[in-house]
Amino acid sequence: GQNIDQPTEMTATEGAIVQINCTYQTSGFNGLFWYQQHAGEAPTFLSYNVLDGLEEKGRFSSFLSRSKGYSYLLLKELQMKDSASYLCAVRNSGGYQKVTFGTGTKLQVIP
Amino acid sequence: DAGVIQSPRHEVTEMGQEVTLRCKPISGHDYLFWYRQTMMRGLELLIYFNNNVPIDDSGMPEDRFSAKMPNASFSTLKIQPSEPRDSAVYFCASSPRDRGFPVQYFGPGTRLTVT
Repeated sequence: GQNIDQPTEMTATEGAIVQINCTYQTSGFNGLFWYQQHAGEAPTFLSYNVLDGLEEKGRFSSFLSRSKGYSYLLLKELQMKDSASYLCAVRNSGGYQKVTFGTGTKLQVIP
Repeated sequence: DAGVIQSPRHEVTEMGQEVTLRCKPISGHDYLFWYRQTMMRGLELLIYFNNNVPIDDSGMPEDRFSAKMPNASFSTLKIQPSEPRDSAVYFCASSPRDRGFPVQYFGPGTRLTVT
């Protein structure tokens, strides 16, 4: 089975940097996703890591360490519109397209 | 492209009634997923299809739930009979053929309330 842990809530200030951590335990690993979900809306794709290291995409970056079962999402120059839930999701090697989602981290950006 | 389309967007029904949720995936996508999201349990995979064939239904909670995909452009999730604990947001998602980057595209969801 799989176990994915993320902090439940975080608060950060507009313009600042925030790091959202995700740890996972899985019997077989084949990639890790980050999705963003605004309240009342559907999740939307942010990033995908399958190899160790940092993937940068504009203000958002995602890091993966497979040996540690650890990932983080880094959001820079925070904006009010970044207030949302951030879902970590793991794809295991035996499940084709099957992905298991964490319960998400609700980020509140304050002025 | 219109994205994944779900209907209805909201459904309120009484316990014991049958509920049918509908989904139209993005054209050309080979995979279709049904998820349920609640505050307590987060986003849970119920079932997924590949080329209209169910691949994994281990997340379907019990026999009251069933899903079909009669063709590449339509899927249904049926709950019969419905119970108050089925109240949740149900998302449909689709994904293109796996080329090492299996992003899922979610529909807007159906908010189901069973009273």
